[in-house]
Amino acid sequence: EIVMTQSPATLSVSPGERATLSCRASQSVNSNLAWYQQKPGQAPRLLIYGASTRATGIPARFSGSGSGTEFTLTISSLQSEDFAVYYCQQYYNWPQTFGQGTKVDIK
Amino acid sequence: QITLKESGPTLVKPTQTLTLTCTFSGFSLSTSGVGVGWIRQPPGKALDWLAFIYWDDDKRYSPSLKSRLTITKDTSKNQVVLTMTNMDPVDTATYYCAHVEGPEGLGELNYWGQGTLVTVSS
Repeated sequence: EIVMTQSPATLSVSPGERATLSCRASQSVNSNLAWYQQKPGQAPRLLIYGASTRATGIPARFSGSGSGTEFTLTISSLQSEDFAVYYCQQYYNWPQTFGQGTKVDIK
Repeated sequence: QITLKESGPTLVKPTQTLTLTCTFSGFSLSTSGVGVGWIRQPPGKALDWLAFIYWDDDKRYSPSLKSRLTITKDTSKNQVVLTMTNMDPVDTATYYCAHVEGPEGLGELNYWGQGTLVTVSS
């Protein structure tokens, strides 16, 4: 089973600032990596797939990078609606494991 | 438009078997590369991938829960059913169903149900 490790657990950021979230895989997943955003009481929403492709309707301030075992989600200028928990997930093989999440909160 | 919706009991007793149904629309589970499955999330905790079933009836399970899980599909009814045996309070969670489409069924989860909270308590 591939273990996904996200850091930091919590990221405190001021509105308008840049946020950088990390995700590391215990073995290579190529570019088979997705990022999800989850707000309280809601289902996760797909942000990024293929490590760097934005899903439909996702604003350009969200970008993903990386391949192999190291991945990054960057939010270029945090808006109020971006304060949430973010999860990475590998879909290179089964089980398609998730990271433990990074909570982005208001500084 | 793709939609998925979970249904099932909100409360089960310890040792009982949980049966959840995912009813979907907007796609066919007969289409190559398509899968539907389940992810759960205990209160305040992370997402946990449970099981998926694919267009060719391939089934994949979380290794740690494999002995307790069964996933089936009814293509004519557009439903996927998950059963989990021997429920325990630690299985209290919101259970989501989700759609996947990709080569051999591997892909991002681009559509999710709203989730259903299942509490395990006597």
